[in-house]
Amino acid sequence: NAGVTQTPKFQVLKTGQSMTLQCAQDMNHNSMYWYRQDPGMGLRLIYYSASEGTTDKGEVPNGYNVSRLNKREFSLRLESAAPSQTSVYFCASSGQFRGLNTGELFFGEGSRLTVL
Amino acid sequence: AQRVTQPEKLLSVFKGAPVELKCNYSYSGSPELFWYVQYSRQRLQLLLRHISRESIKGFTADLNKGETSFHLKKPFAQEEDSAMYYCALRRNTGFQKLVFGTGTRLLVSP
Repeated sequence: NAGVTQTPKFQVLKTGQSMTLQCAQDMNHNSMYWYRQDPGMGLRLIYYSASEGTTDKGEVPNGYNVSRLNKREFSLRLESAAPSQTSVYFCASSGQFRGLNTGELFFGEGSRLTVL
Repeated sequence: AQRVTQPEKLLSVFKGAPVELKCNYSYSGSPELFWYVQYSRQRLQLLLRHISRESIKGFTADLNKGETSFHLKKPFAQEEDSAMYYCALRRNTGFQKLVFGTGTRLLVSP
């Protein structure tokens, strides 16, 4: 099993360009998440999807959109990239046990995005 | 709102020394606390959670509700413990998403 796979691993954009980060998991998890990791700021939740068909804003959703395409896939879109969105982005997923979210997140390898 | 504070950005110790990575939280309810670790060139992964009351790789963490703390401890640090450590909290109501602290980099020198 690959676990959580996200693409691309690296991307350089110019201000105003758009792009989509792709994420897929093969663990049959209900919940998926997008975090960004910045020095001194830790991991901040951008958007999450508690289950297929639902998405909700996290702590820092401005400038981003998401799509839960199916149970496996959860994409993050930057419509008009800004230098403040330069970051490392992590996708994660979590499963359930007896109907409750286990709380254990499985992370992808990260996508390093630079906006010039 | 819930918040997790890790006051130390960097903790540097010598091999064999005791280690304590601090984590304090604010949340009005009964939270669930976790420690996640990111080793060099590896994915972020769960290290331990407070409800398990287990020791993983020699690390333990006790939830102190009076002091609202969940410090991570190890009596004798090893070089392979060098990594980024994140404390995380999830509330016990609603959808239980995780809130992370800012992380502490542990550097264990020989």
